[in-house]
This record gives sequence, structure tokens and C-alpha cells, in this order.
Amino acid sequence: GAGVSQSPRYKVAKRGQDVALRCDPISGHVSLFWYQQALGQGPEFLTYFQNEAQLDKSGLPSDRFFAERPEGSVSTLKIQRTQQEDSAVYLCASSGGDLREQYFGPGTRLTVT
Amino acid sequence: AQSVAQPEDQVNVAEGNPLTVKCTYSVSGNPYLFWYVQYPNRGLQFLLKYITGDNLVKGSYGFEAEFNKSQTSFHLKKPSALVSDSALYFCAVRDDKIIFGKGTRLHILP
Repeated sequence: GAGVSQSPRYKVAKRGQDVALRCDPISGHVSLFWYQQALGQGPEFLTYFQNEAQLDKSGLPSDRFFAERPEGSVSTLKIQRTQQEDSAVYLCASSGGDLREQYFGPGTRLTVT
Repeated sequence: AQSVAQPEDQVNVAEGNPLTVKCTYSVSGNPYLFWYVQYPNRGLQFLLKYITGDNLVKGSYGFEAEFNKSQTSFHLKKPSALVSDSALYFCAVRDDKIIFGKGTRLHILP
């Protein structure tokens, strides 16, 4: 069956541009997570959805970051006015429940120039 | 505040030898612990988890981990390493949110 997919896989943005990163979770998974992974580091939690409800957004680094999951399936992470420090791999993961294992997508590598 | 530590950036093990990748944690409540593996150019894959029950947890690819409450550790182990086990391994703990360690790069030497 299909796993978690993310698009685009690679994104180069000029500083100041807005970007939108898409995540298609595994069908039926209620929980969806976004992480930011800097080079040589572990994933850092950004935000968490249960169905369409955003239950935790405490990891979003600034108000330039916004995530949505309007129909409880596909999710979009939007970054406004990108800065160089936003360069990282953005990972999406879904799971069938709160304490169940997460299934990760391949990530979107964002490079801000 | 919850935290997780992987004290070794890299572990080298000869093929066929047992391996251990260390993880210690700190949480305020009951710990929910996970191990994930990341192969080059691939997404993170779930290996195993501890929620409750037996302290020894068995997972994918012959890996296991031992939950030790007194030492607040959840070390990943495998009795006989394979070259194909070479990858980046992440320990994670869930309290109010999931926190990942920095990762340990495992090199299995042929």
C-alpha cells in the first residue's frame, strides 16, 4: 500500500519568498505530524493534527510558519517570507493513533538562498 | 521537561558482533519510548516501541531494546550485526509531545 508522500521533494526559494509543502498521509491515519530536521540533527517537532484539529503547534518556530489539514487528510505546511535559517528537511509523519508508531514521508529539502 | 540523549555520535562494530546503541531519557510521567532508523536517502522507519509491559521489546530486523526504569535508559541491541544495519538511529520519547535524540550513526565493519 501507499506510504506517506510529500511534495515537492526539493524546493529552492529565494529569501523572502513564500513556500507551501504538501503531505499526503496514509489513508485512514488520524494523526499527522510535521518535523524540521536540520543537517546532522534529529527531527524537531513542529506541529500535530488529530483529524482536522491542530492540537499542538508549540514547535512552530515563528508566526511565519503555518500548517493546516482542513479535511483531516492532506496537510500543508506554509512558510512565509522564508529566511536562510529555514533551510532544512521538513518531514511529515502519520499514525493510526496517539501512541502508535509513526510512518514518515521522504521529506522535503528546503534550501533558502 | 522531557528530554532524550544519545551519548554517542557514532558506533563502530565488526560484522557478526553484538551491537548496542545507547539512549537515556527524562520525562515527568510514564515514558513512551521509540527507536527509528534512517537509511541514506530514505525516510525514517519505525523499529520498535515500549509503552508498557515486558521490559525487553523486540522489533524489526532482529533488533531489540531494554527498558530500564531505574537507569532511565532504553538501549537498542542486536546480537549479531550485519553490514546492512549501517544507518542513522534515533531514539524518541513521548510525554506531552515527541522528542527525538540527535541520532547515532552505526557503522558495521565487514
